[in-house]
Amino acid sequence: AQKITQTQPGMFVQEKEAVTLDCTYDTSDPSYGLFWYKQPSSGEMIFLIYQGSYDQQNATEGRYSLNFQKARKSANLVISASQLGDSAMYFCAMSNFGNEKLTFGTGTRLTIIP
Amino acid sequence: DSGVTQTPKHLITATGQRVTLRCSPRSGDLSVYWYQQSLDQGLQFLIQYYNGEERAKGNILERFSAQQFPDLHSELNLSSLELGDSALYFCASSVEARAEAFFGQGTRLTVV
Repeated sequence: AQKITQTQPGMFVQEKEAVTLDCTYDTSDPSYGLFWYKQPSSGEMIFLIYQGSYDQQNATEGRYSLNFQKARKSANLVISASQLGDSAMYFCAMSNFGNEKLTFGTGTRLTIIP
Repeated sequence: DSGVTQTPKHLITATGQRVTLRCSPRSGDLSVYWYQQSLDQGLQFLIQYYNGEERAKGNILERFSAQQFPDLHSELNLSSLELGDSALYFCASSVEARAEAFFGQGTRLTVV
């Protein structure tokens, strides 16, 4: 069974600072994918970044990067130079390549302070 | 805009009723997923279709059913609705089963 753990229910960060959102995962499958999604107050789920279990390098997408530490089973999201528009819920999720459904964590509510 | 379209955006209905939620996936995406987001259960996978065939089932109640049509749009049918079915229902699609999924804006269902 897959499990995603996000231990930070809420975070407050000053604008322009970098922020790290924690995510640990558990799976016995060697082939899996890790995802981060953003959910603003409007409710939609916005795909941010993806990391495959066999990817050698950490994924990056603009201001988002994924700090993938396979041995520690962690997949932390790093947002550089935070902006007010980054205030939202952030969900870490994973899927196994033989079972493509996403398993989500409980989310972290990020608030950016001006 | 993710390219995934869900209708309606909001739905208010009474207990015992039946509703149908509709999803149009991104152009070219063969895989469609349905998820339920509620305050007590979080985001839960309900069911997946791939090119018209059911591929995986999650915690979907027997009162709920879904299908994917030849044009790849999908419908989620919820019947004998209960207060606890009130939630945000998401449809997501991906080009293949292993690719990242893009979500629609969701249908917020309120059962009164």
